[in-house]
Amino acid sequence: DADVTQTPRNRITKTGKRIMLECSQTKGHDRMYWYRQDPGLGLRLIYYSFDVKDINKGEISDGYSVSRQAQAKFSLSLESAIPNQTALYFCATSEQGYEQYFGPGTRLTVT
Amino acid sequence: GDSVTQMEGPVTLSEEAFLTINCTYTATGYPSLFWYVQYPGEGLQLLLKATKADDKGSNKGFEATYRKETTSFHLEKGSVQVSDSAVYFCALSGSARQLTFGSGTQLTVLP
Repeated sequence: DADVTQTPRNRITKTGKRIMLECSQTKGHDRMYWYRQDPGLGLRLIYYSFDVKDINKGEISDGYSVSRQAQAKFSLSLESAIPNQTALYFCATSEQGYEQYFGPGTRLTVT
Repeated sequence: GDSVTQMEGPVTLSEEAFLTINCTYTATGYPSLFWYVQYPGEGLQLLLKATKADDKGSNKGFEATYRKETTSFHLEKGSVQVSDSAVYFCALSGSARQLTFGSGTQLTVLP
């Protein structure tokens, strides 16, 4: 079984809808991250969490919120989706070191 | 702030050709450096890393040397295979312990 899982893998939604992307990990890591990937821009950090009670904004947090329900679960919400949030979203985890482990990604399309 | 500049793609090579993907960085202090690979439809996987100057990371025939004097971490492989076709990301982890990614380089290897 995969160490970092993301659901759903693909989602099409309409402008203005609320949507939640979920991430679970079995690696036992304290740190979890949400990124978005856009063509030609690499990955950009949306939010990160160093433990259950710690939530931090990343480079591009506007329009997003997160919830760390447990050590193993970190959800990303789009309160009111807009078309320029169409992207590939990745969850990642790490221990206190530097290496991050990525999930398979969620492809989100906002029409 | 920290930044990573990667060689623009896409790069197309014939099988058994020599590969170089250039990566330079800007960071304060002594960052750790990484190469991640993303195969089609998958998340990012760590390919190799180096944590201090003059370290050489290597994996699956790929190598990269941490050059502090030129702030570079170029990826090389002596003989590429069709299965190496993927997107390659250079990244650094600086004083904030966050990953900063380059924009990615698409590699296509033709038989």
